[in-house]
Amino acid sequence: GAGVSQSPRYKVAKRGQDVALRCDPISGHVSLFWYQQALGQGPEFLTYFQNEAQLDKSGLPSDRFFAERPEGSVSTLKIQRTQQEDSAVYLCASSGSPGSYEQYFGPGTRLTVT
Amino acid sequence: KQEVTQIPAALSVPEGENLVLNCSFTDSAIYNLQWFRQDPGKGLTSLLLIQSSQREQTSGRLNASLDKSSGRSTLYIAASQPGDSATYLCAAISSGSARQLTFGSGTQLTVLP
Repeated sequence: GAGVSQSPRYKVAKRGQDVALRCDPISGHVSLFWYQQALGQGPEFLTYFQNEAQLDKSGLPSDRFFAERPEGSVSTLKIQRTQQEDSAVYLCASSGSPGSYEQYFGPGTRLTVT
Repeated sequence: KQEVTQIPAALSVPEGENLVLNCSFTDSAIYNLQWFRQDPGKGLTSLLLIQSSQREQTSGRLNASLDKSSGRSTLYIAASQPGDSATYLCAAISSGSARQLTFGSGTQLTVLP
């Protein structure tokens, strides 16, 4: 595709519900990243995949957050039992070969937990 | 742990003015530094990437510099235009990290017509 796409663009969830956020990286990109951006702040790293392998999940804030990339392309970030503090924009980024460090970002999913 | 700071948090300038946005980082062992633009409700658009071996990069009216020894980077915007209004974010990849970006909180720029 032309760029990184994310769906849905907006999600409203009631506290306690589970949500799933999808990321389609640029075709052929090996690396995929998830970031969380609170209002008025810069994005913060959540997790990183190289192909289907999740190499770093040190930024996931709790065990309610889970990410997967089973076939090394599309990725899903799942949040279980959502809390109000989970409200944020969730950004996905991809980059090309492992030696290429430039990341390309999607438009993000704005999650609001009520 | 890498920390990135951007000053000022907000800046308003008249159209046509040249301006400088500042970014500082605590760990000088960075692999590269990247400047992004973010428009309201949108994702991040990469503007310039400076590798650790470089001192600056230029694209059109934008020039970014990197001084690893002092832990600073600047983004220079020449002849600003109202369309430049956005939030500008800098981000660093540390050499020892798993390649994730560490971001500053951004500078919100408004260019007045």
